[in-house]
Amino acid sequence: EAGVAQSPRYKIIEKRQSVAFWCNPISGHATLYWYQQILGQGPKLLIQFQNNGVVDDSQLPKDRFSAERLKGVDSTLKIQPAKLEDSAVYLCASSLIPQGVLNEQFFGPGTRLTVL
Amino acid sequence: TQLLEQSPQFLSIQEGENLTVYCNSSSVFSSLQWYRQEPGEGPVLLVTVVTGGEVKKLKRLTFQFGDARKDSSLHITAAQPGDTGLYLCAGALKTSYDKVIFGPGTSLSVIP
Repeated sequence: EAGVAQSPRYKIIEKRQSVAFWCNPISGHATLYWYQQILGQGPKLLIQFQNNGVVDDSQLPKDRFSAERLKGVDSTLKIQPAKLEDSAVYLCASSLIPQGVLNEQFFGPGTRLTVL
Repeated sequence: TQLLEQSPQFLSIQEGENLTVYCNSSSVFSSLQWYRQEPGEGPVLLVTVVTGGEVKKLKRLTFQFGDARKDSSLHITAAQPGDTGLYLCAGALKTSYDKVIFGPGTSLSVIP
């Protein structure tokens, strides 16, 4: 079974530029998550989709971050404009069970963003 | 506000030693998970505990969920270099859906 795919793996941009990340979840997984992981910290949820609807985006900085999941499959996360503090690894994860205590999340390898 | 705390933050031990890492919160969780993350990769689920007081064993790893479902521990027996990684606990809060919160992680280095 193919895992969660993310691209690009690495991205270096200057502040105030824009950047987009792509995620392809495991086939059939209804729930998709985007996390931000700053070096030395645990993942912080940015947004959670169930199919193509948003379940939780309470920690998404909506003035600069946006995400979409068209057709309930692939997803893109965009930052516009980027700030220095956005330097982090952006992880995408998906899960089969949309709700429930036995919810295992499968993570992609992440995109490492460096903002100069 | 950090809902989940983990200790220690860093741990460096010799191969063959035992260790315990802790995950604590003031919140009650409907379930708690432990993940391991290796450099350049995403976290991988190790275990899910659901019942207060539950103990699960996975080869040399023993996981325990506190009676009050607010804390958990991970004990590794006879650590090996392959155990090196970032150990993350993640608690599920019962809201309108099971919102999962990750702790900051314990970075473990096992020296051969």
